[in-house]
Parts: sequence; structure tokens; C-alpha cells
Amino acid sequence: EAGVTQFPSHSVIEKGQTVTLRCDPISGHDNLYWYRRVMGKEIKFLLHFVKESKQDESGMPNNRFLAERTGGTYSTLKVQPAELEDSGVYFCASSQPGLPDNEQFFGPGTRLTVL
Amino acid sequence: AQSVTQPDIHITVSEGASLELRCNYSYGATPYLFWYVQSPGQGLQLLLKYFSGDTLVQGIKGFEAEFKRSQSSFNLRKPSVHWSDAAEYFCAVGNNAGNMLTFGGGTRLMVKP
Repeated sequence: EAGVTQFPSHSVIEKGQTVTLRCDPISGHDNLYWYRRVMGKEIKFLLHFVKESKQDESGMPNNRFLAERTGGTYSTLKVQPAELEDSGVYFCASSQPGLPDNEQFFGPGTRLTVL
Repeated sequence: AQSVTQPDIHITVSEGASLELRCNYSYGATPYLFWYVQSPGQGLQLLLKYFSGDTLVQGIKGFEAEFKRSQSSFNLRKPSVHWSDAAEYFCAVGNNAGNMLTFGGGTRLMVKP
């Protein structure tokens, strides 16, 4: 069974440009999460989808970030326009619904560098 | 607000030596506690988790952790470290596994031959 995949693995863009990150969760996982780690600090929660609905987006830093999950399958995270402080590693995770102890499975992350 | 502190940013141990990675948390209710490991180029992999019951939990790769409510700690241990254990380790807390996790800053482990 394939794990959580993320594309691209690395992205280098200039300040003011737009970048779109993609996450493909494990098949059958209704829960999908985005996290990011900035400047070697702690990994921070961004938002949580249940199927195509945003369950919790309390961690989204500002309105330059837009997350979508059309059809409840893969998700995209768009940053527009990108700022220097957006550089970091963006992780996606997914889990099965239902049980409170269902593990979150993480992807390898997308390393974003904004110049 | 919940928070997690991992006091050690870097730790170096010799192969075969024992290991303890510290984790302290702040959480208002009964916490769900996790340890994840990230090897280079890989995603975060769950080592072990604690929800309730026995406060000493066993995980994969020979790791264990002990939940101490009185100390708000959930330290990770391994009796004998292997070179392949070199990685970054993250402690996390949540109200259950299905909601947001709050992570510590991570501890990078280096293993000397």
C-alpha cells in the first residue's frame, strides 16, 4: 500500500511568486492534515480536512495560504504571494476516520525555499 | 494552550550505549502522547503512542517511553542504540490522534561508531 505522497519534494521560488503543493493521502483516509516546520523550529499544525470539508483551519497563518481538497481525495496548498518567512518544510498527513487512536501517517514533506 | 518541550536539540551517543530523550508537555486534560522519528528524506514515522493504561509503552525498533503525569513527562528510551537510529525525534501531544498534534522542537540524535 502506498504511503502519503507529496509533490514536489523541493521548490525554490522568488518572493511574490505563487507555489502550489500537492498531497496524496493514503487511499481510504478521510482525514488529511497539513503541518509545516519553519526555520528548524517546531512542526506546527496548519489545517485538517475531513473528506472535502475543512474541520479545523486554526493554524493557517494568513490569507495568502489557500488549501483545497476537491472530491475528498488529494489536497493542494497554495501560497500566493509567497514571502520569505514562508520558507520551510510542509508536511501532509492522513488518517482513517472513526477511532480516536487512529495514527496520522506523514508524507516526506515539501521543502519550500523563498528567495 | 498545549505545548511540548524537548530540552535537548542535539544528542550524541556511542553505538551500543543507552539513550533517553526528554519530553515535557503542558496540557489541560488527559493527553494523547506520541513519539515520531524522521530519518533523512523520509516522512515522520510513529514510534509509539500513549493514550491510557500502562504508563510504560513499547514501540517499534526497540524503543519505549514512560508517561509520568506528576512530572508532565513522556521520555523516550532505548537500552542499546544502533547506528541506524541516527535521526530526528519529535514528541507530540493531542486530544486524540485524529485532531491536530502539537509538536516539540525535535531532538537530533547522532550515533558515534
